[in-house]
Amino acid sequence: DAGVIQSPRHEVTEMGQEVTLRCKPISGHDYLFWYRQTMMRGLELLIYFNNNVPIDDSGMPEDRFSAKMPNASFSTLKIQPSEPRDSAVYFCASSFSRSGDTQYFGPGTRLTVL
Amino acid sequence: KNQVEQSPQSLIILEGKNCTLQCNYTVSPFSNLRWYKQDTGRGPVSLTIMTFSENTKSNGRYTATLDADTKQSSLHITASQLSDSASYICVVISMTTDSWGKFQFGAGTQVVVTP
Repeated sequence: DAGVIQSPRHEVTEMGQEVTLRCKPISGHDYLFWYRQTMMRGLELLIYFNNNVPIDDSGMPEDRFSAKMPNASFSTLKIQPSEPRDSAVYFCASSFSRSGDTQYFGPGTRLTVL
Repeated sequence: KNQVEQSPQSLIILEGKNCTLQCNYTVSPFSNLRWYKQDTGRGPVSLTIMTFSENTKSNGRYTATLDADTKQSSLHITASQLSDSASYICVVISMTTDSWGKFQFGAGTQVVVTP
């Protein structure tokens, strides 16, 4: 298996632009997680899905952030409009069903908003 | 106040030596505690997952302990190697009835192994 795939690996954009991050989970996993990591705040959980349905989005910082999972093999995290404080590494992870299961992380997308 | 505190913030050890990282938490109710290793520029990799009833769990040279009464966990690295240089993150998940629950993250311990 190729593992969790994220694209792009690096994104540089200007303030006010829309940014879309993409994730393909491991086949068969029914949970998908979006995380954000910065030096100041460390690792944070933004949102997670079960069977393509958002379960907990309490970590989404504000309305500028939105996430979708149209099918079991694809998810997007969108920021519109982007701001410099959104600069971070965004990770996607997937797992099987329950909280005792291992999460597998993707390589991350490094986002820089100028 | 962060509900998961890790110590030390960073440490430097000689190759071949042992070291122990600490994770203290106040998260309640408790579901499980996870240790992750994160190499620079990579995503975190799961080392151990411990539930309430587990005291010790090993993964190669990594051994995690959990004291659910005192709400403390440790990660012991035996015979360190240069490849152990990484950030080690403690994550505590609180219990809910069905879904994954709430995640609380430690700030991580940066480990540098020198030759």
